[in-house]
Amino acid sequence: DTAVSQTPKYLVTQMGNDKSIKCEQNLGHDTMYWYKQDSKKFLKIMFSYNNKELIINETVPNRFSPKSPDKAHLNLHINSLELGDSAVYFCASMGGDYGYTFGSGTRLTVV
Amino acid sequence: GQQVMQIPQYQHVQEGEDFTTYCNSSTTLSNIQWYKQRPGGHPVFLIQLVKSGEVKKQKRLTFQFGEAKKNSSLHITATQTTDVGTYFCAGHRRFGAGTTVTVRA
Repeated sequence: DTAVSQTPKYLVTQMGNDKSIKCEQNLGHDTMYWYKQDSKKFLKIMFSYNNKELIINETVPNRFSPKSPDKAHLNLHINSLELGDSAVYFCASMGGDYGYTFGSGTRLTVV
Repeated sequence: GQQVMQIPQYQHVQEGEDFTTYCNSSTTLSNIQWYKQRPGGHPVFLIQLVKSGEVKKQKRLTFQFGEAKKNSSLHITATQTTDVGTYFCAGHRRFGAGTTVTVRA
């Protein structure tokens, strides 16, 4: 019974394509995030939603569009994929004093 | 903008030895969190420190939050192979670059 689940786990696609990553949490948390982890393991926040409302957008190219249909879901759509978008994308949720609960990640490879 | 810096980037440790990783923020933090990411895995929450000067222990791991709430450390005693991974500190949604730990048996 995974707390934060994201799909797909792996995504290999060509430059210029559009792709989506889905995320769902069953923890009842109000706040969800997307983080990008590059090849040097640096974790950078991309977006944060609180109860379906966007609260953080960290100067991410507008090719990236998050969507939160309800507070348990936060999806990420990426248009016109570029080589530099290759990374591991982590969805996370947070509630109370227990820090982030991360999903298992989506490894995106753009070729 | 706010930055969270973490050193060292890599730590190669002999099994049984101790080591420490350090985290510094450019601004005062309301709290600091520590995470561990095993190779191929995702970050897992270890602990949160909130009070100035706070010290918390989890078995062989000791976490400290500085008096000025701008720095923190994680000290691991008697390192084991299960300690392998990358340890991150985080404050105000910003993560440090991580300390990647390898252990020599």
